[in-house]
Amino acid sequence: GAGVSQSPSNKVTEKGKDVELRCDPISGHTALYWYRQSLGQGLEFLIYFQGNSAPDKSGLPSDRFSAERTGGSVSTLTIQRTQQEDSAVYLCASSLVLGSGSVTDTQYFGPGTRLTVL
Amino acid sequence: RKEVEQDPGPFNVPEGATVAFNCTYSNSASQSFFWYRQDCRKEPKLLMSVYSSGNEDGRFTAQLNRASQYISLLIRDSKLSDSATYLCVVNFNFNKFYFGSGTKLNVKP
Repeated sequence: GAGVSQSPSNKVTEKGKDVELRCDPISGHTALYWYRQSLGQGLEFLIYFQGNSAPDKSGLPSDRFSAERTGGSVSTLTIQRTQQEDSAVYLCASSLVLGSGSVTDTQYFGPGTRLTVL
Repeated sequence: RKEVEQDPGPFNVPEGATVAFNCTYSNSASQSFFWYRQDCRKEPKLLMSVYSSGNEDGRFTAQLNRASQYISLLIRDSKLSDSATYLCVVNFNFNKFYFGSGTKLNVKP
């Protein structure tokens, strides 16, 4: 079956421009997560969705970052007025459920979007 | 203090060796635990979940020690293909997932 897909795979943009990153989770997965990974670093948790709802946005680095999910499926992460420090790989993951404390919390990752801000 | 801490390594071991990684977590209320594997410039992939009783999958064994707040991963008979970064993942409060920064393993011929 299809896994998590993300688009674009690579995005090069100029400082100050807005970018939109897309994530298509595995069909039927109710939970969706966004992470950021800078070169040689670990994953930084940004935001999660349970259905279309994002109860906790405190992980977003600044108010230039926003995310939405519609129809319990596709999610978009938008970065406004991009800065060079936003350059990273943005990873999306989905899981069957959220908060079961069991294997159904397992996250499956997409291939990521590599964002470069010049 | 970070929520999840790992020794970054690298661990350089010969083929056939046994190697173990530990990962400590700060929140005693953590619910679920996982080990993920990440190859260079690739996305993380689940290696195994970690159950309270410990679990084994082939050459890989995971253990959870709630009293000391750590999880471990043991790899027996290391293969060249085991070379990767191993990420420890901890779930708090049924929603946030915290990834460790990873332990790099290099298996040499």
